[in-house]
Amino acid sequence: DLQMTQSPSSLSASVGDRVTITCRASQGISNYLAWYQQKPGKVPKVLIYGASTLQSGVPSRFSGSGSGTDFTLTISSLQPEDVATYYCQKYNSAPYTFGQGTKLEI
Amino acid sequence: QVQLVESGGGVVQPGGSLRLSCAASGFIFDTYTMHWVRQAPGKGLEWVALLSHDELYEYYTDSVRGRFTISRDNSQNTLSLELKNLRPEDTALYYCARNGGHSRWSWLDTWGQGTQVTVSS
Repeated sequence: DLQMTQSPSSLSASVGDRVTITCRASQGISNYLAWYQQKPGKVPKVLIYGASTLQSGVPSRFSGSGSGTDFTLTISSLQPEDVATYYCQKYNSAPYTFGQGTKLEI
Repeated sequence: QVQLVESGGGVVQPGGSLRLSCAASGFIFDTYTMHWVRQAPGKGLEWVALLSHDELYEYYTDSVRGRFTISRDNSQNTLSLELKNLRPEDTALYYCARNGGHSRWSWLDTWGQGTQVTVSS
């Protein structure tokens, strides 16, 4: 099955920093890629779908890019409320594999 | 508003069975593909299964195929997951989630709060 690999597994950044998380698919998935945010003890929430489309209500400091096998989630100016684990997920076909997650700390 | 509420979790011995349910409200249930996703304690998200709105196609992750069965009752706006021959590694919080669009392959735009399944002797 196709594998989704995120990097880094964890990172620490300061408020106001630009943060980038990458996700690599072992095979091409076009733009069938979503990013989710899961805050501690909370339910996952979709941030980005179609690799670059911002879900309604998500702050504009979040953005996504990429196509094929390489994708990026960027937070343009890190805020304290962005502390969470971030997951990519491919959905071009089943199984809908998730990346292993990136834990973001301030 | 769109809402998904899971139930049916519990503690079960290895080899046992459980049936999870997800009650949907706030949207036209029979037009959306639905999913189950699980998360083991302290671990990442694992997609488990999906069932199309018309029940014409269903898919499972390899580790549960043949042991878990996804089903739905569109008249009752309910999604179910039957878990059989449970193993300790099936211990997780099980989420019900909705397709983000009406196309066959779509992201997950709405999640329930989850129901806990613990497999232990």
